[in-house]
Amino acid sequence: RKEVEQDPGPFNVPEGATVAFNCTYSNSASQSFFWYRQDCRKEPKLLMSVYSSGNEDGRFTAQLNRASQYISLLIRDSKLSDSATYLCVVNLYTGGFKTIFGAGTRLFVKA
Amino acid sequence: NAGVTQTPKFQVLKTGQSMTLQCAQDMNHEYMSWYRQDPGMGLRLIHYSVGAGITDQGEVPNGYNVSRSTTEDFPLRLLSAAPSQTSVYFCASSTNPWATELPGAFFGQGTRLTVV
Repeated sequence: RKEVEQDPGPFNVPEGATVAFNCTYSNSASQSFFWYRQDCRKEPKLLMSVYSSGNEDGRFTAQLNRASQYISLLIRDSKLSDSATYLCVVNLYTGGFKTIFGAGTRLFVKA
Repeated sequence: NAGVTQTPKFQVLKTGQSMTLQCAQDMNHEYMSWYRQDPGMGLRLIHYSVGAGITDQGEVPNGYNVSRSTTEDFPLRLLSAAPSQTSVYFCASSTNPWATELPGAFFGQGTRLTVV
């Protein structure tokens, strides 16, 4: 079982749609959580952190459920420019610092 | 402010050749790391460094060497290239040991390596 699992998609949605991605992690020692965005053939860039209380940044909302060990990202009012791969990222400490990247979920937003 | 600069952007090697991927950052970050990204898989850590003169292995270190003689530079050496090393390589730098903690890791633009 992968330590961080994501639905690879692709998710194909029309402009203006709301889309949600989930990510599950297996290690309960996981300490911090993030969503990164990666455009085609580009480097990953931090989108937002994920907190248990939930956090919002404009059209993006991230949630963490520690009990169920999953993270979610909600995108409202999708734009064409949201088309990208979204990576779920987990930091944990197991005798050493470790960062685990999910394989990513691809999103295509169409006009 | 250049951030993280990786060179080259593209490279084709023959099996058995060696080469060095360059990575430089101008943010005075202590922590630097190298990842590879393969289709259907997340980024996997190859090697990392917590400061000049200190390096350690990540998840997939075999076939790669690193050194950190200065804070700014963290080159990755492929000793004898194999087709299994065909991948996209990213260098990252950050202010803390978890490469993704805020203020966030800064990634280079990547090197697309093909080994034939």
